[in-house]
Amino acid sequence: QQQVKQSPQSLIVQKGGIPIINCAYENTAFDYFPWYQQFPGKGPALLIAIRPDVSEKKEGRFTISFNKSAKQFSLHIMDSQPGDSATYFCAASMQTGGGADGLTFGKGTHLIIQP
Amino acid sequence: DTAVSQTPKYLVTQMGNDKSIKCEQNLGHDTMYWYKQDSKKFLKIMFSYNNKELIINETVPNRFSPKSPDKAHLNLHINSLELGDSAVYFCASRLAGGPDTQYFGPGTRLTVL
Repeated sequence: QQQVKQSPQSLIVQKGGIPIINCAYENTAFDYFPWYQQFPGKGPALLIAIRPDVSEKKEGRFTISFNKSAKQFSLHIMDSQPGDSATYFCAASMQTGGGADGLTFGKGTHLIIQP
Repeated sequence: DTAVSQTPKYLVTQMGNDKSIKCEQNLGHDTMYWYKQDSKKFLKIMFSYNNKELIINETVPNRFSPKSPDKAHLNLHINSLELGDSAVYFCASRLAGGPDTQYFGPGTRLTVL
């Protein structure tokens, strides 16, 4: 059973465009929703994260939109650049339990920003 | 001064062998994790460990065992390696009760021949 579903699997956007990656979760006990960015040969790195008590969070060019009733959240990248080309993972966890269960990841989106 | 480090970066071995991957974090964190990333890049939690409790993902074979000599280290031991164990293994850490960010190591690419 996949608890976090991510789409699309791959995405190609022109420079300056706004790629949007969507995730849906099933477990209502999740209370922390991070996005990770991974470059080839590197470990995932936290990009931005949100808790279910807010509907939107912005950090620089990255925005998370969160819809608690629909159990969905999405990542928007404004003014995308070729350097943003990477694999993006959404994730979810139960931080109130101390995070002991770790992160449940979506399957990833391979994003290419064309110059 | 790498926050989370893993050795080796690459590990090539024969089926049936026993191998270990080392992980060290210098962030003062008290919770550490091991994740497996398969050939399709899917990341899956294997273990989480703090100084009190080891939580094992039920799908992980008992050939895999984490060992923590101290709070800064969580090593992964794998016995009787199988072809299906080939993957990239990531160590991560966080501070329980602190910021929720998990910091990942650079990964160890394990290839079983």
